[in-house]
Amino acid sequence: DQQVKQNSPSLSVQEGRISILNCDYTNSMFDYFLWYKKYPAEGPTFLISISSIKDKNEDGRFTVFLNKSAKHLSLHIVPSQPGDSAVYFCAASRDDKIIFGKGTRLHILP
Amino acid sequence: DTEVTQTPKHLVMGMTNKKSLKCEQHMGHRAMYWYKQKAKKPPELMFVYSYEKLSINESVPSRFSPECPNSSLLNLHLHALQPEDSALYLCASSQDGVRASNQPQHFGDGTRLSIL
Repeated sequence: DQQVKQNSPSLSVQEGRISILNCDYTNSMFDYFLWYKKYPAEGPTFLISISSIKDKNEDGRFTVFLNKSAKHLSLHIVPSQPGDSAVYFCAASRDDKIIFGKGTRLHILP
Repeated sequence: DTEVTQTPKHLVMGMTNKKSLKCEQHMGHRAMYWYKQKAKKPPELMFVYSYEKLSINESVPSRFSPECPNSSLLNLHLHALQPEDSALYLCASSQDGVRASNQPQHFGDGTRLSIL
């Protein structure tokens, strides 16, 4: 039973436009959420996180939104750049346990 | 350049072999992790070490044996593995050993393990 779901395996976005990656979770006890980016043959790289007591966190071109009532979070990248093409993992944690989603492959089109 | 270094990058071993995966970080982080990632799947947590003590074992079979010799090093000893254990093994670290999951983790590039 997947506790963290990324329902879109892939997403294509024009360069310069906004990329929106979505993530749903089932366990309301999760209290911290993270997004990681992964290039081929490399380990995941931390992008941005949000605590369950907040509904938005922004860092440069990256913004994460959390809707606790819907158990949904999203990552917005604007403007999208070619180097943003990668796999993006959503992760949720509670205590010392972390659950990752299956990832969404983002393609930035020229 | 990754700040978490994993060796070897690739490992092929038979089911009767004994080998070890190594992970090193010099960021002063006090929590370290082992993950297993199969193709097209998310990383799955195996072990967490907090202040050099094993704090989480996610019901991992005993043929995987973790060891944390000091705060910078994390090993994963392998013995009598099965073909289904073939995967990418990722090591990660985070700054604080308390409530380690509420912090970003720094990942190594992984060891790709193949069991013949």
